[in-house]
Amino acid sequence: DAKTTQPPSMDCAEGRAANLPCNHSTISGNEYVYWYRQIHSQGPQYIIHGLKNNETNEMASLIITEDRKSSTLILPHATLRDTAVYYCIVRVEGDNFNKFYFGSGTKLNVKP
Amino acid sequence: DTAVSQTPKYLVTQMGNDKSIKCEQNLGHDTMYWYKQDSKKFLKIMFSYNNKELIINETVPNRFSPKSPDKAHLNLHINSLELGDSAVYFCASRRAGEQYFGPGTRLTVT
Repeated sequence: DAKTTQPPSMDCAEGRAANLPCNHSTISGNEYVYWYRQIHSQGPQYIIHGLKNNETNEMASLIITEDRKSSTLILPHATLRDTAVYYCIVRVEGDNFNKFYFGSGTKLNVKP
Repeated sequence: DTAVSQTPKYLVTQMGNDKSIKCEQNLGHDTMYWYKQDSKKFLKIMFSYNNKELIINETVPNRFSPKSPDKAHLNLHINSLELGDSAVYFCASRRAGEQYFGPGTRLTVT
C-alpha cells in the first residue's frame, strides 16, 4: 500500500546538487509530502516537508509540482556524508491520527 | 540526553519465545509509533499511541501487543516469535508534523 514510488538508487558527485524524484500520483488534497533519510541502519532523520508550495530549509529544498503528483528533493551541494537512503513519504491525517506511508527509498551514493 | 531511546539494540532469540522491546522519549510528545523495517528496508507502520491511547493498529498479528504505561513510554511485546518477525523495529515520537526516530532494535529469530 505504498503511496509513493522512487528510483532505487542514484549517484551524485560530491559538491554537485542531488535531485531525488518521487511520484505520488494518488495523493489527496490535504496529504503532506515528507522526506526522511536513513544513514546506515540508524533511525530515519527528518529532512523537510510540504503541502503545495516549494519549501527550503538548511538541509534541502522541496519542489512540488502544481498538480502535486510528484516532487523533487534537492540537496544543493552534496557531501560524502549525504550518502544515505532517502525516503519520500505521504502523511495521511485522520480525525485523531497521522499515518506516515514510506516509499521504498532511493539509495543516494555521493562519490568523490 | 537521547531524545528517543530503545532497548535492547540487538535481540537474538529462538522461535516460540516471547520478548519485549522498550521505547522511551524525553521530548514531551504525546504521540508515539512502532515501525517494522524488513530486509528490503521497507518501513511499515505497526501501531500508534496518543497520550496512552491506541489510535493506529495496522494489520499486525495479534502476537504483537503494544503497551503504553505513560505517554513517554511505548513498549512492544511479541509472543510466540516466528522467523518472519526478524527485522529492525523502530520507535518514533511525534510533535506536530515531524517524527523523531529511535536507533532501532534488530530482532533476529533463529
